[in-house]
Amino acid sequence: KAGVTQTPRYLIKTRGQQVTLSCSPISGHRSVSWYQQTPGQGLQFLFEYFSETQRNKGNFPGRFSGRQFSNSRSEMNVSTLELGDSALYLCASSLDGGRDGYTFGSGTRLTVV
Amino acid sequence: QQQVKQSPQSLIVQKGGIPIINCAYENTAFDYFPWYQQFPGKGPALLIAIRPDVSEKKEGRFTISFNKSAKQFSLHIMDSQPGDSATYFCAASMESSASKIIFGSGTRLSIRP
Repeated sequence: KAGVTQTPRYLIKTRGQQVTLSCSPISGHRSVSWYQQTPGQGLQFLFEYFSETQRNKGNFPGRFSGRQFSNSRSEMNVSTLELGDSALYLCASSLDGGRDGYTFGSGTRLTVV
Repeated sequence: QQQVKQSPQSLIVQKGGIPIINCAYENTAFDYFPWYQQFPGKGPALLIAIRPDVSEKKEGRFTISFNKSAKQFSLHIMDSQPGDSATYFCAASMESSASKIIFGSGTRLSIRP
């Protein structure tokens, strides 16, 4: 079966712009989580969506937001981009957000210049 | 208290050797400890996971040892192969926010032929 699909794979944006990243979970998965991966801070949890509702949130500023659609696809938006937002953004899906293991996508590499 | 401390940062082992990666945590509310493997250009993939009521778990060549009193756990890779070369992350989560996975800083493992 198809895995978690993230688009685009690479993105270059200018400081101050905004960006939207997309994630299509595995068919049947209702939970989608987003993570930021950087060399300095490692993997950090951004937020989780389940059945179109944000269920958990990490410690990121309000510039980071997301949403989930009725087909479980999710988008993540970052407004007023800063150089420090350059990172690999990973999406992970699971059946119900429980402990059965998350499947990660290959990520979107965002570079802010 | 939300941290998971991982060591070493990098590790080089000869083929057939047994690399050991160690992790420690403070928050006793953590009750699920997965390990993830990440290859370059890919997202992390769940390797093996353990709960604190078990002291050891084996899956193929991968073994987790868990010491609840010391709040430490480790990953052993038996008969390591060059294909095991990857970055390994220990992690932890708690029942109340199962989707929020707290990752260690990662260990870059290289298996020499």
